[in-house]
Amino acid sequence: GDSVTQMEGPVTLSEEAFLTINCTYTATGYPSLFWYVQYPGEGLQLLLKATKADDKGSNKGFEATYRKETTSFHLEKGSVQVSDSAVYFCALNPISGSARQLTFGSGTQLTVLP
Amino acid sequence: NAGVTQTPKFQVLKTGQSMTLQCAQDMNHEYMSWYRQDPGMGLRLIHYSVGAGITDQGEVPNGYNVSRSTTEDFPLRLLSAAPSQTSVYFCASSYGGKETQYFGPGTRLLVL
Repeated sequence: GDSVTQMEGPVTLSEEAFLTINCTYTATGYPSLFWYVQYPGEGLQLLLKATKADDKGSNKGFEATYRKETTSFHLEKGSVQVSDSAVYFCALNPISGSARQLTFGSGTQLTVLP
Repeated sequence: NAGVTQTPKFQVLKTGQSMTLQCAQDMNHEYMSWYRQDPGMGLRLIHYSVGAGITDQGEVPNGYNVSRSTTEDFPLRLLSAAPSQTSVYFCASSYGGKETQYFGPGTRLLVL
């Protein structure tokens, strides 16, 4: 079945450091890929998404590129801030255009120190 | 817009008790779903609905019931709570045919 594998956390960085959170997936067909972020005490929010191969999603300085050849969707940010401290979830939707069946990774806790 | 709201925020139950977790959205979304979040396991889909009167099972439906009598509301019922149902529960909604899901703030449930 479909699955998403994220790098294990927790990840601790200093402010202005470069961030990479790895995400790889297994799916049949052509899934859509997502990064969701969960700030402390809140629900998940969509951070960015990509719906086809080679698409780059970007938001708030975060970027991720849909790489079909490596089945990856790694999240990157050039300079993290304390306010980026949160849990980040990679997810896929195996049926592009449908909201029914999101499959999530286990989440990566990021802590950014001042 | 209030978005997706969930009540209660926190609940403690004894084994065998029943309760309903409430979820409501004011965005006129067709799709609504319930997830549970457990440490190291991400979010897993419990049940979902594609519109009023239509529900279906997700990955982990056992022990949970749902109904969708209105577009706005999608309650999740635990008929006989078990310690294995200790988790954080999230409700989400989305437009039909679009992929961005909007999540509620969650309900933390502890079953003793």
